[in-house]
Amino acid sequence: DAGITQSPRHKVTETGTPVTLRCHQTENHRYMYWYRQDPGHGLRLIHYSYGVKDTDKGEVSDGYSVSRSKTEDFLLTLESATSSQTSVYFCAICKQGARANQPQHFGDGTRLSIL
Amino acid sequence: TQLLEQSPQFLSIQEGENLTVYCNSSSVFSSLQWYRQEPGEGPVLLVTVVTGGEVKKLKRLTFQFGDARKDSSLHITAAQPGDTGLYLCAGDRNNAGNMLTFGGGTRLMVKP
Repeated sequence: DAGITQSPRHKVTETGTPVTLRCHQTENHRYMYWYRQDPGHGLRLIHYSYGVKDTDKGEVSDGYSVSRSKTEDFLLTLESATSSQTSVYFCAICKQGARANQPQHFGDGTRLSIL
Repeated sequence: TQLLEQSPQFLSIQEGENLTVYCNSSSVFSSLQWYRQEPGEGPVLLVTVVTGGEVKKLKRLTFQFGDARKDSSLHITAAQPGDTGLYLCAGDRNNAGNMLTFGGGTRLMVKP
């Protein structure tokens, strides 16, 4: 158990509203990631972080922002949600991110529906 | 553009059958990771293959990394209903931060 908690687990909201998803870890690992999962696309990286206040964009970052003010929390924000952002969002950590070929450990996901 | 192509996308077989899932790319990866995901949960690592030509076995599952480190396969012998799930391959391009590129996944259903 990698000690990752995502909240909320489910959310339904309307187009144009702001949405923030939270990822909390209990083990103080530096590297954290946000992915979205859509049928046929596997997981696609949105943003990642390599420490407090150190974040960078992934392959599908448009429309998303992140913040990491504490090691244990990594927040993903949709400033103005659109229907195309309906998806399942996963947070992950890497326990030894500075080393190559290390696995990632995932939370159980947040199912987000934007109507 | 999907850098990692997984095939097949869907597979429905009877208990006891064998199957192979393929993960192909035109890019070289420093390693390939295989994950399994069950409904309502996040992916869980099965294995990491690092060396070209490497073969790893996990009970009835056999993983192979291509010699050129561009492709990988997962072979399941005598599949069981408990093998049902979504199988994902993910490539590590040896970039800073261990960012992974995922394939589209293979959804396997094993019927009793």
